[in-house]
Amino acid sequence: AQSVTQLDSHVSVSEGTPVLLRCNYSSSYSPSLFWYVQHPNKGLQLLLKYTSAATLVKGINGFEAEFKKSETSFHLTKPSAHMSDAAEYFCVVSESPYNNNDMRFGAGTRLTVKP
Amino acid sequence: GAVVSQHPSRVICKSGTSVKIECRSLDFQATTMFWYRQFPKKSLMLMATSNEGSKATYEQGVEKDKFLINHASLTLSTLTVTSAHPEDSSFYICSADWDLASNEQFFGPGTRLTVL
Repeated sequence: AQSVTQLDSHVSVSEGTPVLLRCNYSSSYSPSLFWYVQHPNKGLQLLLKYTSAATLVKGINGFEAEFKKSETSFHLTKPSAHMSDAAEYFCVVSESPYNNNDMRFGAGTRLTVKP
Repeated sequence: GAVVSQHPSRVICKSGTSVKIECRSLDFQATTMFWYRQFPKKSLMLMATSNEGSKATYEQGVEKDKFLINHASLTLSTLTVTSAHPEDSSFYICSADWDLASNEQFFGPGTRLTVL
């Protein structure tokens, strides 16, 4: 079964500095990988997704992630943090349509952005 | 497009009562919907997979008789928490499967249940 590990429960950066949120995955099949953001008491918003096309995926709000099969990683980055980026981020893995089309969530990383 | 709504957004009930939460795909048909539970400052845990016209598939450890799921149409799935207890208080989130090929799900805004 697929699983995902987010290596940091909390990341704190200063506004204007780079953001790196780390994610490693495990999957028996060709996975789809996603990053979602959740603001307090809000639903989940898709930032970006990887579905076996280009390994460098660009998402909304300046975020991007690179799929590295050799490292089983899918880290999320952003060159310059903004105050509005403060939220909870979830890395998600879903196995191919040949299996149940469900998702497994990482534990989440809380991003704090300091002025 | 691909909007999922949940109703209610927030509910408070007394212990022992039942609460129904609705999940609707507003502009697409979803043969599969998923129900998740999120504890405070925790990740989402998949509770069950809801398939239109058939019985839901529950994850290990989730009580079928306590969390009743009905997926009567391609745009509506309901989760009923029966005989609710304070430990059932949580944030419940549904998602709908829009495109099987892309493995992408669209999430509702969530329902916060508080059981007194």
